[in-house]
Amino acid sequence: KAGVTQTPRYLIKTRGQQVTLSCSPISGHRSVSWYQQTPGQGLQFLFEYFSETQRNKGNFPGRFSGRQFSNSRSEMNVSTLELGDSALYLCASSFEGFQGYGYTFGSGTRLTVV
Amino acid sequence: AQKVTQAQTEISVVEKEDVTLDCVYETRDTTYYLFWYKQPPSGELVFLIRRNSFDEQNEISGRYSWNFQKSTSSFNFTITASQVVDSAVYFCALSEANNQGGKLIFGQGTELSVKP
Repeated sequence: KAGVTQTPRYLIKTRGQQVTLSCSPISGHRSVSWYQQTPGQGLQFLFEYFSETQRNKGNFPGRFSGRQFSNSRSEMNVSTLELGDSALYLCASSFEGFQGYGYTFGSGTRLTVV
Repeated sequence: AQKVTQAQTEISVVEKEDVTLDCVYETRDTTYYLFWYKQPPSGELVFLIRRNSFDEQNEISGRYSWNFQKSTSSFNFTITASQVVDSAVYFCALSEANNQGGKLIFGQGTELSVKP
């Protein structure tokens, strides 16, 4: 079966712009989580969506937002980009999003802010 | 507080050597889950294993084995007879049962380099 698909793979944006990243989960998975990976902070949890509702949120400013559609596809948006937002953004899908089920990750979107 | 520590930032070995990656975790929950993921240069996190806090049995899968010890809050990962294809960054992660969904706490990762 198809894995988790993230688009685009690479993005270059200018400071102050906004960006939208997309994640298509494995068919049948209803939970989508997002993570930011940077050399300094490592992998940090952004938020999780289940059945179109944000169920959990990490410690990020309000510039980071997301949503989930009825087909479970998810988008995350970052507004007013800062240089420090340059990172690899990973999404993970899971059947239920709880510990009883595994998380499958996509290959990520590498965002560079200049 | 929840925390995962992987004290080894980088490890370099020669092919066929055995290597152990250390992971120490902190949690106040009695029910939690531990994971190991592998991240090759392509960036995708590849799931290796999941363990729940009630199952302290060691696990072996081919050349991979995991040693879970609650007494020392450790979940170490050993690769036997390492191969060049094992070169990657390895992450240990923790998920607490009471988290509302989707949240994994990752360690900083250990970059393993296996030289021919």
